[in-house]
Amino acid sequence: QVQLVESGGGVVQPGGSLRISCAASGYTFTDHGMHWVRQAPGTGLEWVAFINFDETKKNYLDSVKGRFTISRDTSKNTVYLQMNSLRSDDTAVYYCTKAEWFAFAYWGQGTLVTVSS
Amino acid sequence: QSALTQPASVSGSPGQSITISCTGTRSDIGGYNYLSWYQHHPGKVPKLMIYEVSNRPSGVSSRFSGSKSGNTASLTISGLQAEDEADYYCTSYTTSGTWVFGTGTKVTVL
Repeated sequence: QVQLVESGGGVVQPGGSLRISCAASGYTFTDHGMHWVRQAPGTGLEWVAFINFDETKKNYLDSVKGRFTISRDTSKNTVYLQMNSLRSDDTAVYYCTKAEWFAFAYWGQGTLVTVSS
Repeated sequence: QSALTQPASVSGSPGQSITISCTGTRSDIGGYNYLSWYQHHPGKVPKLMIYEVSNRPSGVSSRFSGSKSGNTASLTISGLQAEDEADYYCTSYTTSGTWVFGTGTKVTVL
C-alpha cells in the first residue's frame, strides 16, 4: 500500500532555512508527481508546491516562490522541500501528497515546521 | 491565487442529505474538471473523497457525490452519519498551473 513518511520538521528562527523530506513507498515513484500542502494552526489547507514525475515541471504558491524549492531523488524515492528565508507565517504542518487525477490522492502524516525566535 | 469560497459550516441530522458549495472563477473551477474534495478529521490525515468533479476513489462510500455547474462545485453527503462530522475542503487546478483550496466547511451532525 502507498506510504508517505515526512521528516525534518522542527523549530527554526525567522530568516532561517530548513529542508523537509518525504519518503515514498508502495507504488512506482517515477510514475507520479508529488505535492506539498500545508496547514497553519487554526487555518485551512493550502497548496504549496508541485513537482511532476520527471522533474521537468515545478510550480509554487506565489508567497513561497523564490524562497522554497521542491526536488526529488528517484534513487531514494524521496521528495524534498528546501525552505529558505522562513517567516512566521510559514509555521504549519507540512504534508506531502501523491499526485493522481490532478488531485492529492494519498497523504503522509505531516511534519511540523515552527518559525519562531 | 485566492481561495475558493465555501460556507463556514453546514449541519444536518442523521439520515438527512447536505450539500456543500465551492465557488471559484473561470480561472479555476470554471476552466477545468480537475475539482476534488477532501474530508479532514482534526488531528488526522486528510482523505480524498471525490476527484475530477464526480469520481469516487476505491473505498469511498457512495453516499458522497460531486457535481459542478459553471464556476461552482458541490459535494453532497446523503444518509448523513455521525462519522461524517469533519472539515471538508474542495480544491481545483488553475490556469496558472497551480492548485487552490477552498476555505473549508465544518460539517456538524446534529
